[in-house]
Amino acid sequence: GAVVSQHPSWVICKSGTSVKIECRSLDFQATTMFWYRQFPKQSLMLMATSNEGSKATYEQGVEKDKFLINHASLTLSTLTVTSAHPEDSSFYICSAQEGQGYYGYTFGSGTRLTVV
Amino acid sequence: DQQVKQNSPSLSVQEGRISILNCDYTNSMFDYFLWYKKYPAEGPTFLISISSIKDKNEDGRFTVFLNKSAKHLSLHIVPSQPGDSAVYFCAASYFGNEKLTFGTGTRLTIIP
Repeated sequence: GAVVSQHPSWVICKSGTSVKIECRSLDFQATTMFWYRQFPKQSLMLMATSNEGSKATYEQGVEKDKFLINHASLTLSTLTVTSAHPEDSSFYICSAQEGQGYYGYTFGSGTRLTVV
Repeated sequence: DQQVKQNSPSLSVQEGRISILNCDYTNSMFDYFLWYKKYPAEGPTFLISISSIKDKNEDGRFTVFLNKSAKHLSLHIVPSQPGDSAVYFCAASYFGNEKLTFGTGTRLTIIP
């Protein structure tokens, strides 16, 4: 089946630094990738939707200058948390869509970000 | 505004018995519903889905029921097994909108 690889699985960084998270579709071309974040005991909240070769569409309340998303190819999307602060500590998950329709969502394994 | 709600944060069920997880939604535009299973520090994995044109969908031990008038769906797992212990999320979407709206999740614990 479809596999999405997300790296790193966990990262600790100092406040003020930037962190890049990669999401790769290993055996399919992802026309659309989604980035979510999840706080403890809360739902997965969609941050942004990215389509290959175009700018990401951010959800309301998500700072696009802070959470930089690049979807440079049909198999790779990156999320960069710039000037990270402790409140950015969260679990970030990507999802890749293969083709059209509801069936094609495959999630990465997630990245636990801790900002100290 | 939580459009998809899972009011039970946790549920414990004896092994071999039926597990019933519930989900309510408020947006009448939703026409497709999915259930995901999530282990700690992992991404969600797809379990089963249902379209609004159906009221039941079955896949092995998993059955999803949809009651459109009540805006309610439920996931039945029978018989429950220890490996079913995880957090279960329901999600909803509608035609023309590829985004998924997730519920807050229910932690299911199967007691051996």
